[in-house]
Amino acid sequence: DAGITQSPRYKITETGRQVTLMCHQTWSHSYMFWYRQDLGHGLRLIYYSAAADITDKGEVPDGYVVSRSKTENFPLTLESATRSQTSVYFCASSEVGVAGPYEQYFGPGTRLTVT
Amino acid sequence: QKEVEQNSGPLSVPEGAIASLNCTYSDRGSQSFFWYRQYSGKSPELIMSIYSNGDKEDGRFTAQLNKASQYVSLLIRDSQPSDSATYLCAGHTGGFKTIFGAGTRLFVKA
Repeated sequence: DAGITQSPRYKITETGRQVTLMCHQTWSHSYMFWYRQDLGHGLRLIYYSAAADITDKGEVPDGYVVSRSKTENFPLTLESATRSQTSVYFCASSEVGVAGPYEQYFGPGTRLTVT
Repeated sequence: QKEVEQNSGPLSVPEGAIASLNCTYSDRGSQSFFWYRQYSGKSPELIMSIYSNGDKEDGRFTAQLNKASQYVSLLIRDSQPSDSATYLCAGHTGGFKTIFGAGTRLFVKA
């Protein structure tokens, strides 16, 4: 049981390029989240999804796009990468009422560098 | 702005001692609280969740919640070098959003 996986684990891209980070979970959790983690800022929510085809903005959504056509997948796209988007990106999922309300389980992370 | 505040540390304790990690939150409506452990270069891992006032124990870990004081803590008994990590406190107020603190770095000296 893989749980929640992310790909790629490491990515180097150039300014202005589009890049997509993938997230896949096998628990059938309703909620999925994308965070970025930077020194001094902790975890900041980019986007979240409550179910397939339902997404909404978090704290720092600018420059990012998400979609969720299937419950298990939640890709994050940087439309035109900027150096300020260099970060570690974590995907997480949770289900209300299974392990308790809103306990989130995190994927291994993607370390993205924009040059 | 709803916030969860933690001392960034580092907190250094000798092996076998009790490590005490603290967290305060600003939103009185917060209902659920979580402690995550994050090793360097790894993802956050859920350790404890606590929903009501008082103490909750799980092995060497005890979470404490005081809603009147808007204060959450995590005690680690018999600290081991393997407990050295960053500990994230998180609070949930309802809906989708969980607010994470920036984390406290803990070093356990052998």
